[in-house]
This record gives sequence, structure tokens and C-alpha cells, in this order.
Amino acid sequence: GAGVSQSPSNKVTEKGKDVELRCDPISGHTALYWYRQSLGQGLEFLIYFQGNSAPDKSGLPSDRFSAERTGGSVSTLTIQRTQQEDSAVYLCASSFDGRGSYQETQYFGPGTRLLVL
Amino acid sequence: AQSVAQPEDQVNVAEGNPLTVKCTYSVSGNPYLFWYVQYPNRGLQFLLKYITGDNLVKGSYGFEAEFNKSQTSFHLKKPSALVSDSALYFCAVTGSASKIIFGSGTRLSIRP
Repeated sequence: GAGVSQSPSNKVTEKGKDVELRCDPISGHTALYWYRQSLGQGLEFLIYFQGNSAPDKSGLPSDRFSAERTGGSVSTLTIQRTQQEDSAVYLCASSFDGRGSYQETQYFGPGTRLLVL
Repeated sequence: AQSVAQPEDQVNVAEGNPLTVKCTYSVSGNPYLFWYVQYPNRGLQFLLKYITGDNLVKGSYGFEAEFNKSQTSFHLKKPSALVSDSALYFCAVTGSASKIIFGSGTRLSIRP
């Protein structure tokens, strides 16, 4: 079956431009997560969507970052006025989260490698 | 505050030898613990998790992990390492209603 997909796989942009990263979760998964993995670093939690509940945005590093999830499925992470420090791999994950918690196994996409020049 | 630590950046093991990748945690209430693996140029894959029950959890690819409440640890183990086990391993922890936190990762290198 299809796993989590992300697009684009690679993105090169100039400082100050806006970028949109897309995530298609596994069909039927109600929970969706975004993480950032900088070179040589662990995973940094960004945002968590669970069904129709208000998302947990506590990990977003600044107001330049935003995310939405339309129709409880596809999600878009938007970074406005990109900075060089935004360069990283952005990972999306989904889970079948019947309890509205972080306890379920997460299935990760391949990531989008963002390079801000 | 909730936290997870992987004290070793790198672990080197000869093929056929047992391996251990260490993880300690701090969380309020009962912990929920995970191990994920990231192979080169591939996404993260779930290995195993502890939610409740037996302290010894068995997972994919012959890996297992032991939950030790008194030592607040959840070390990943495998009796006999394979070269193909070489990858980046992440431990993660969450509480009953808190967001998941990942460790900084441990790079496991298995030499032939």
C-alpha cells in the first residue's frame, strides 16, 4: 500500500522567498506531524494535527512558519521569507490516532530537503 | 520537563557481536517509548515501542529493547549485529498527553 509521500523531494530557494512543502499521509490516518531535521541534529517537532481538533503548534520556531491540513488529509507547511537557517530536511509523519495522543506508531515520509541560498 | 537522552553519538560494533544503543528519559507519569531507525537516504522507520506490559519489547529486524523504570532507561539491543544494521537510531518519548520528543540520534556502525 501507499506510504506517506512528500513533495518536492528537494527544494532550492533564495533567501527571502516563500516555500510550500506538501505531505500526503497514509489514507485513513487521522494524525499528521511535521518535523525538521537539521544536518547532524535530531528531529525537532514542529506541529501536530489530530482530526478536526485545533493543531498543536507549539514547535513552530517562528511566525514565518505555518501549516494547514485540508479536509483532514493533505497538509502544507509554508515557510515565509526563508532564511539560511531554515535549511534542513522537513519530515512528515502520519498515524492512525484513535485516541488523540502521541502514542501511536508514526509512519514517516521520505522528507523534503530544503536549501536556502 | 520531558526529555530524552542518547549519550553516545556513535557506536561501533563488529559484525556478529551484540550491540546496545543507550537511551534514558525523563517524563511525568507513565512513559511511552519508541525506537526509530533512519537508513542512509531513506526516511525514518518504526522499530518498536513500549506502552505497557512486558518490560522486554521485541521489534523489527531482530531488535529488542528493555524498559527499566528504576533507571529510566530504554536501551536498544540486538544479540548479533549485521553490517546492514548500520544506520542512525532515534529514541523517542512521550507522556500521556504530551508531545513526542526525539533524542539526538546515535549512529551505529557495524564493521565486517
